[in-house]
Amino acid sequence: EAQVTQNPRYLITVTGKKLTVTCSQNMNHEYMSWYRQDPGLGLRQIYYSMNVEVTDKGDVPEGYKVSRKEKRNFPLILESPSPNQTSLYFCASSLIDSQAPLHFGNGTRLTVT
Amino acid sequence: DQQVKQNSPSLSVQEGRISILNCDYTNSMFDYFLWYKKYPAEGPTFLISISSIKDKNEDGRFTVFLNKSAKHLSLHIVPSQPGDSAVYFCAARRYNFNKFYFGSGTKLNVKP
Repeated sequence: EAQVTQNPRYLITVTGKKLTVTCSQNMNHEYMSWYRQDPGLGLRQIYYSMNVEVTDKGDVPEGYKVSRKEKRNFPLILESPSPNQTSLYFCASSLIDSQAPLHFGNGTRLTVT
Repeated sequence: DQQVKQNSPSLSVQEGRISILNCDYTNSMFDYFLWYKKYPAEGPTFLISISSIKDKNEDGRFTVFLNKSAKHLSLHIVPSQPGDSAVYFCAARRYNFNKFYFGSGTKLNVKP
C-alpha cells in the first residue's frame, strides 16, 4: 500500500531533550516536506527536500533540523525542544510535478513540557 | 501573512443538502489549487484539485470552482453525507515552486 509513515504517533518530552520524528514513504517520491498544524494557523511548512541531500527551509524552520540521506526517509530533528514546539506534525511527499498533490502521513502529536 | 485564507472556521449542513466551503487567496501567481479532507487522528487526504486554466472540476459529489478574477476557490459537496464531516483545507501552489500554501481549515458537520 502506498503510504507515508511517521513515528511515533504521540510523544511527550521535556524541554531540551533531543528527539527525532521519523518519516518514510514507499512511493519513490522525490519531494518530501514537514508541516506543523496549530489552531487557527493551518499547515505551515517547516522544511522540505527536493531530492537526496537537497533540503531547504520552509516558513517556520527555527528550532528544527532535517536530513535526506535516502530518498524514502526524511527525519525531523529537534535538537533542544521548547514548549512552543508543542504541535501536531505532518510529513508529506509528492512527485516533482506541477500537478502532483501532496500525500500526508498520519501525524505526530508532540508535547514539550 | 497568510496567502490562502478560509474565513469560516465551521459549517453545519443537513444531510442531503449542499455544502459550500470557501477559500480566498492573495497571490496571483498560484496556478494549482487543491482541497484536502482531514478526519481526527489522521493526516489530510487529497480530495480534488483544479488547474488555473480551468474554472471547474468535478469528481462525483465533489466540485471545485475557481474564480481567478476574485481570487476565490470553492468546494461544493452534493449531496452532503454524515461521512463528509471533517476538517477541509484548501491549498495553493505556485508553478515550478514546490511549496504548498494552506488555509486554516473549515470544520464541516453534516447532520443526519
